[in-house]
Amino acid sequence: KAGVTQTPRYLIKTRGQQVTLSCSPISGHRSVSWYQQTPGQGLQFLFEYFSETQRNKGNFPGRFSGRQFSNSRSEMNVSTLELGDSALYLCASSLGGEQFFGPGTRLTVL
Amino acid sequence: GENVEQHPSTLSVQEGDSAVIKCTYSDSASNYFPWYKQELGKRPQLIIDIRSNVGEKKDQRIAVTLNKTAKHFSLHITETQPEDSAVYFCAALYTGTASKLTFGTGTRLQVTL
Repeated sequence: KAGVTQTPRYLIKTRGQQVTLSCSPISGHRSVSWYQQTPGQGLQFLFEYFSETQRNKGNFPGRFSGRQFSNSRSEMNVSTLELGDSALYLCASSLGGEQFFGPGTRLTVL
Repeated sequence: GENVEQHPSTLSVQEGDSAVIKCTYSDSASNYFPWYKQELGKRPQLIIDIRSNVGEKKDQRIAVTLNKTAKHFSLHITETQPEDSAVYFCAALYTGTASKLTFGTGTRLQVTL
């Protein structure tokens, strides 16, 4: 089975722009979660989608949003980028608890 | 919400020695406790996990123990090797609702020759 894939792997944006990241889960996994990883804050939960519905949301501003498609692929969007949004964005797909991470998208905001 | 504390933040051991990383969680409803290993520039990889109906689980050189009463769980690595050097994260989750993992702050393990 193919693992979790994320695109793009690297992204450079400037403040005020918006960005869309994509995640394709492991075949058969219906849950996709997104995490932000920074040196200062560690791994923080953004949100989780299951069967195209947001099932849980972390403590991030409304500039962070996401969606899931009928094929379980998920996207997350960050609008009005800030310098502090520079981070590794990881998605994880799961089936019954175990979560498997994708390689991440490294976002740099200049 | 859930809060997971992890100690130590850094750990240096000699090759062949054992390493122990400890975590505590706050939400007694949490019932799934995975451990992830993250090498530099790579994704977190699930190395072992334990569910709340089990007290201990072992997989070759790694083992995890869970004390539900004290809300503690620990990772034990025996006969450490240089390739064990990485950052290790513990996490907790309640599988009954959403798949929201709450992570500890990570332990940087350095295995020296």
